[in-house]
Amino acid sequence: EAGVAQSPRYKIIEKRQSVAFWCNPISGHATLYWYQQILGQGPKLLIQFQNNGVVDDSQLPKDRFSAERLKGVDSTLKIQPAKLEDSAVYLCASSLSRSGGGDTYEQYFGPGTRLTVT
Amino acid sequence: AQTVTQSQPEMSVQEAETVTLSCTYDTSESDYYLFWYKQPPSRQMILVIRQEAYKQQNATENRFSVNFQKAAKSFSLKISDSQLGDAAMYFCAYRSLSGTYKYIFGTGTRLKVLA
Repeated sequence: EAGVAQSPRYKIIEKRQSVAFWCNPISGHATLYWYQQILGQGPKLLIQFQNNGVVDDSQLPKDRFSAERLKGVDSTLKIQPAKLEDSAVYLCASSLSRSGGGDTYEQYFGPGTRLTVT
Repeated sequence: AQTVTQSQPEMSVQEAETVTLSCTYDTSESDYYLFWYKQPPSRQMILVIRQEAYKQQNATENRFSVNFQKAAKSFSLKISDSQLGDAAMYFCAYRSLSGTYKYIFGTGTRLKVLA
């Protein structure tokens, strides 16, 4: 089965510019996560979708970050305007979230997008 | 709120030896999942092992096993017969089974394997 796809893999922008990341989860996976991973730290959840609805966006800086998941499949994460502290790897992950039990809650991660803000 | 703590920023192990990575967590919930994920340098994060909180038996996956102490809220990972390919960042994670079903990751432990 195809894994979680992300693009671009690398992006360099200047502060105050905007940037968008794209994620295509594994087919059939209902839950999609966006994480921010700053160098040397663990992933921090930015937003979690269940199908096309937002389950948790409590740590998403909503004044500059936005995300959508149209039709409950792929998703985009946007930053506008970017700040120096947004330099990080942005990870997308998906999980099955099978209703009726039997879900192991394993997350499958994409390769990430490394963002550098100068 | 739940928290996950990994107190060892870096560990080293000799090839073929055994190493244990520590993880503690804090929660008021009784049912949850715990995971260890591996993130090799410049490669994708993958699942190493999972543990359901309601199961008393410790999970094992080949050379990887856990020591799950629910009362102590401790979840350590033991890697036996360490191989060079085990070198990576290891993250402990907690997955709530109530509320928003949030995933919480620890800060990670960098494992170096010495030849």
